[in-house]
Amino acid sequence: AQSVAQPEDQVNVAEGNPLTVKCTYSVSGNPYLFWYVQYPNRGLQFLLKYITGDNLVKGSYGFEAEFNKSQTSFHLKKPSALVSDSALYFCAVRGFSGGYNKLIFGAGTRLAVHP
Amino acid sequence: AAGVIQSPRHLIKEKRETATLKCYPIPRHDTVYWYQQGPGQDPQFLISFYEKMQSDKGSIPDRFSAQQFSDYHSELNMSSLELGDSALYFCASSVQGGTYEQYFGPGTRLTVT
Repeated sequence: AQSVAQPEDQVNVAEGNPLTVKCTYSVSGNPYLFWYVQYPNRGLQFLLKYITGDNLVKGSYGFEAEFNKSQTSFHLKKPSALVSDSALYFCAVRGFSGGYNKLIFGAGTRLAVHP
Repeated sequence: AAGVIQSPRHLIKEKRETATLKCYPIPRHDTVYWYQQGPGQDPQFLISFYEKMQSDKGSIPDRFSAQQFSDYHSELNMSSLELGDSALYFCASSVQGGTYEQYFGPGTRLTVT
């Protein structure tokens, strides 16, 4: 069965510093991996995905993620954090079921960027 | 760009009542997914529809049912509501055979009292 783990409940970083939000996955077969962000009382916004190709994936709002097959990780990164990046971040993997792609989410990591 | 529309945004019901949540996918998206997010939890997949047929089923209680209509909008019907059904319900849409990401609506916050 497919699953993802986000080992950190919360990540604190100072504005302007680089940030990393960790995600590891467990899948049978090739992983289809996603990052979503959720602001308070809002829906989930798609940030980026890895399906195939380059291990470094660039997404919205300056975020990027590095796919590492040997470490089964897909960490979200940003070179310089903004206070407005403070939100809840979810890593997700595509759950295969007859070819239809429901998403299986991690528990989420709250990112707090301090001025 | 058009996004996924959900209505209502907020809903308050009493125990044992029924509720209907509506979802209007992004135009030309043929697949709709429903997720439930409890307080402080990650979204859990409930059910999905592709071309008006149920395509996958997750942890959806038997008290809940859903369907997708000819215009691709979907409705989640919830009966005999329980306090534990209080949650944020998201609808997402995508295109089968497309780029795999799902686009989420703003959610319906259901409160059962």
